[in-house]
Amino acid sequence: QVQLRESGPGLVTPSGTLSLTCAVSGSPVSRGYYWAWIRQGPKKGLEWLGSIYGSGSTHYNPSLKNRIFMSVDVSKSQFSLNLTSVTAADTALYFCAREHVVLGPTSTFHLDFWGQGALVTVSS
Amino acid sequence: QSVLTQPPSASGTPGQRVTISCSGNNSNIGRNTVNWYQQFPGTAPKLVIYSNNQRPSGVPARISGSKSGTAASLAISALQSDDDADYYCATWDNHINGRVFGGGTTLTVL
Repeated sequence: QVQLRESGPGLVTPSGTLSLTCAVSGSPVSRGYYWAWIRQGPKKGLEWLGSIYGSGSTHYNPSLKNRIFMSVDVSKSQFSLNLTSVTAADTALYFCAREHVVLGPTSTFHLDFWGQGALVTVSS
Repeated sequence: QSVLTQPPSASGTPGQRVTISCSGNNSNIGRNTVNWYQQFPGTAPKLVIYSNNQRPSGVPARISGSKSGTAASLAISALQSDDDADYYCATWDNHINGRVFGGGTTLTVL
């Protein structure tokens, strides 16, 4: 059974850095899948933030420009999100998820296992 | 403003068939496959359709997906009260070289 669990501070001060970790069990993080971060603002829809492969290769949402950084630790079976220069607009429920990706003339992805979510509030 | 356009709401009575649309363009739906997620308040989304029309194990056959051109649809037949949820479409977007979600549709079972 694949399980993912987010952890990290629930409160971040404005202009600070949001850091979350997703612990994975039941699936190797080293190969076969991408690992994604998705967030959902209060009463808003889903927003893809970025994805990372076990090799460390990343895809980031261009809307986050240079604020996002993701990493993976195969030895600990976990991956992480760092979002810098946060504002109140970054207040959201942050989900991590396992992702199947096939890139080509027709690209496909889907997120089949999700964590329960971690609420992060940006406030002073 | 989401790249993919969904109606904000949809409704139906038990037993009815409801469809939810998702409109995109030639850089996303027109070139790539679509998946759909069901989400109950305060919980993580659940994949219900992938690769346009494939159902993960455990998703009932009364939930189906289709795609034509730059639009996709999710259909739920024999509507039940526990279908009352938010539904999101998603696909790859070649323009941003990444994933995009629709704005979501709240389905109400009357």
